[in-house]
Amino acid sequence: DGGITQSPKYLFRKEGQNVTLSCEQNLNHDAMYWYRQDPGQGLRLIYYSQIVNDFQKGDIAEGYSVSREKKESFPLTVTSAQKNPTAFYLCAAGQVSGNTIYFGEGSWLTVV
Amino acid sequence: GNSVTQMEGPVTLSEEAFLTINCTYTATGYPSLFWYVQYPGEGLQLLLKATKADDKGSNKGFEATYRKETTSFHLEKGSVQVSDSAVYFCALSRGNTGNQFYFGTGTSLTVIP
Repeated sequence: DGGITQSPKYLFRKEGQNVTLSCEQNLNHDAMYWYRQDPGQGLRLIYYSQIVNDFQKGDIAEGYSVSREKKESFPLTVTSAQKNPTAFYLCAAGQVSGNTIYFGEGSWLTVV
Repeated sequence: GNSVTQMEGPVTLSEEAFLTINCTYTATGYPSLFWYVQYPGEGLQLLLKATKADDKGSNKGFEATYRKETTSFHLEKGSVQVSDSAVYFCALSRGNTGNQFYFGTGTSLTVIP
């Protein structure tokens, strides 16, 4: 089954802990993205990457970090510096030269 | 800059009613326009898209026409079903910005039997 796989679906974190959300794609797309969605609100771009070993900050990068060591993978780390991390996180992928992006199923992060 | 404005919800309709969700955009040049749908607890799914002026995107009974003169991309469906209940996002893409997407805030639709 092809597509974008995010894991875990649900994650609980204690305050002060870092947590990493996984995103894997088998679509062979160059570009990958991380968005944050708060309840009842739209999407905000955290980070994006157009090529391996390179990534750019989005609108709300503070308190987050990413890596892009492989084309297929774009993990997001939510650090303890992120003040309000409880949210729904969406990973997406698309071709840099294309005009469509595709989303994973999302990961719910709750800080307890 | 680039931005998308869509009508605020929530929208509640009876089954078989006509649906319109308004979307307008601001962008330089010629963006591509999209509607995505999000069912509860899930990611976004591409519903339809249009890549140039006067194009009509359509899927599952939904339609939207790219109107450059009014910078709009309104979503319509002639007869909604309970299964259409979801949040709908309008978006634009500027390919020359590395395929960055700009999303509206989403419109929640509830269809009641």
